[in-house]
Amino acid sequence: AQSVTQLDSQVPVFEEAPVELRCNYSSSVSVYLFWYVQYPNQGLQLLLKYLSGSTLVKGINGFEAEFNKSQTSFHLRKPSVHISDTAEYFCAVTFTGTASKLTFGTGTRLQVTL
Amino acid sequence: ETGVTQSPTHLIKTRGQQVTLRCSSQSGHNTVSWYQQALGQGPQFIFQYYREEENGRGNFPPRFSGLQFPNYSSELNVNALELDDSALYLCASREELGSGETQYFGPGTRLLVL
Repeated sequence: AQSVTQLDSQVPVFEEAPVELRCNYSSSVSVYLFWYVQYPNQGLQLLLKYLSGSTLVKGINGFEAEFNKSQTSFHLRKPSVHISDTAEYFCAVTFTGTASKLTFGTGTRLQVTL
Repeated sequence: ETGVTQSPTHLIKTRGQQVTLRCSSQSGHNTVSWYQQALGQGPQFIFQYYREEENGRGNFPPRFSGLQFPNYSSELNVNALELDDSALYLCASREELGSGETQYFGPGTRLLVL
């Protein structure tokens, strides 16, 4: 079965520290990969996506992610976080032949403190 | 700001009732998808409409139904509400069906079933 796993439900980090949010997927077919952010009481906002080409993808707000096909991973990183990055982060994939539906992980709560 | 709006923002219903949630997509977005996000979970795909026809469905029973209109608005209808239907309902729109296209999410409707 095709699935997405976000290994960490919560990640506490101090402001200006680096952070990595992990995402792994399981699929026997080609995938497109996405990271979305959800601020409290809001919908989802796209941070970045990988379709093809360079495996290092840069997104908004200083975030980047690297696609690793051999490890079936798409981890999200930021070299220096800010208080305003506190939010829920969701990794999502679309698999070929699934009517383009997004399959989401369970989310990682990033909590940035001073 | 994604240009996708949803109404109402909050709704309280009792078990057995019916509910209609509304979404207004960006002009020119021919595809709309609906997702259910239970508390503490990632969004789950309900179904998708393309040019007013259903085009893909997730593991949701037939009491979940939808409509898409030529003016880029759409509805999600849920009959015979159950307690487990309590969730945030998100709609997402994009121009065409392509899996790699960015889906733009609305802020959601939070439904509470008592």
